[in-house]
Amino acid sequence: GAVVSQHPSWVICKSGTSVKIECRSLDFQATTMFWYRQFPKQSLMLMATSNEGSKATYEQGVEKDKFLINHASLTLSTLTVTSAHPEDSSFYICSASEGTSGSFSDEQYFGPGTRLTVT
Amino acid sequence: GDSVTQMEGPVTLSEEAFLTINCTYTATGYPSLFWYVQYPGEGLQLLLKATKADDKGSNKGFEATYRKETTSFHLEKGSVQVSDSAVYFCALSDQYGGSEKLVFGKGTKLTVNP
Repeated sequence: GAVVSQHPSWVICKSGTSVKIECRSLDFQATTMFWYRQFPKQSLMLMATSNEGSKATYEQGVEKDKFLINHASLTLSTLTVTSAHPEDSSFYICSASEGTSGSFSDEQYFGPGTRLTVT
Repeated sequence: GDSVTQMEGPVTLSEEAFLTINCTYTATGYPSLFWYVQYPGEGLQLLLKATKADDKGSNKGFEATYRKETTSFHLEKGSVQVSDSAVYFCALSDQYGGSEKLVFGKGTKLTVNP
């Protein structure tokens, strides 16, 4: 089946630094990638949707300048948390789809997530 | 806005017990409904889905029926196994500004003991 990987699986960083999280589709071309955030005992919340070669579409309330998303190839998307603060500590999950514009005729395949802790 | 509410866990069962995880939703449109499962250390995987009222999704012995009248999509399995231990997420997809997006419940952790 389709596999999505994330790297790193966990990261600890100091307040004020930036952290990059990678999301890769290993055996298929991901036209669309999604980034979610999950707080303990809470739902996954969609942060942004990106189509390869285009700018990401951010959900309401998500800071574009703080959460930089790049989807430069069909197998790789990155999320950079800039000037991280303790309140950015969370579990970040990516998913990938072979379809465009998030159409659910194409299944989303999820990565295992990245635990970010900002001290 | 659209939302999904599922029963809080954790749920602990003995092997071969009957499983029900309740899920209800609110939506302005006509959503598709999903159950995802997350095994320890892995990403979410689609377990089953239903795209319209009265549809039944099924996979690996799990079933859920799209009930529009009660806005529910309860997950059931007649006889659970230890290998079913995982976190289960109910979700819906609906149209938002021209694109479809997933809205998730909080997840229910299931532990099955031998």
